[in-house]
Amino acid sequence: KAGVTQTPRYLIKTRGQQVTLSCSPISGHRSVSWYQQTPGQGLQFLFEYFSETQRNKGNFPGRFSGRQFSNSRSEMNVSTLELGDSALYLCASSFNGIGTDTQYFGPGTRLTVL
Amino acid sequence: DQQVKQNSPSLSVQEGRISILNCDYTNSMFDYFLWYKKYPAEGPTFLISISSIKDKNEDGRFTVFLNKSAKHLSLHIVPSQPGDSAVYFCAANSNYQLIWGAGTKLIIKP
Repeated sequence: KAGVTQTPRYLIKTRGQQVTLSCSPISGHRSVSWYQQTPGQGLQFLFEYFSETQRNKGNFPGRFSGRQFSNSRSEMNVSTLELGDSALYLCASSFNGIGTDTQYFGPGTRLTVL
Repeated sequence: DQQVKQNSPSLSVQEGRISILNCDYTNSMFDYFLWYKKYPAEGPTFLISISSIKDKNEDGRFTVFLNKSAKHLSLHIVPSQPGDSAVYFCAANSNYQLIWGAGTKLIIKP
């Protein structure tokens, strides 16, 4: 079974631009969650999508948004990029979602904002 | 406001000895705790978990202990192996969100 894949792996943008990151979950998984990891910080929860619906949301500004498609693939969008958005963005998939079964993580997308 | 804290940014242990990684939390509503391991350039991988109704869970070389009165959990790795060198995160579940600690970098010395 293929694991969670994320594209692109690396991205460089400038302040004010917008960016879209993609996550393909493990086949059969219905839940996709997104996290931001910055140096010295744990993973910060962004949101979880389950069967195309946002089920839960962390404490991030509205510039961070996401969606999930019918094939469970998910995209995350960040608009009006700020320097502080530079981070590793991780997505994780599971069958039933956070708190119910194991989450499997992708390798992440390293976003650098200049 | 960090609800899950890993106070040691790094830990160095001799190969073959016991590694003990610690995690403290503040929210008594957490009902499930997990440990993940992360290698560079890879996403975290699940190691072991424990429900709040238990005080110990064991899986091979890995044992997690939960002390609810102290709001403290620990991960024991015995014996430590070179492949255990990684960053270890503890995470706690509350309302279908995982709250993560900042991680502890474990270095196993040969």
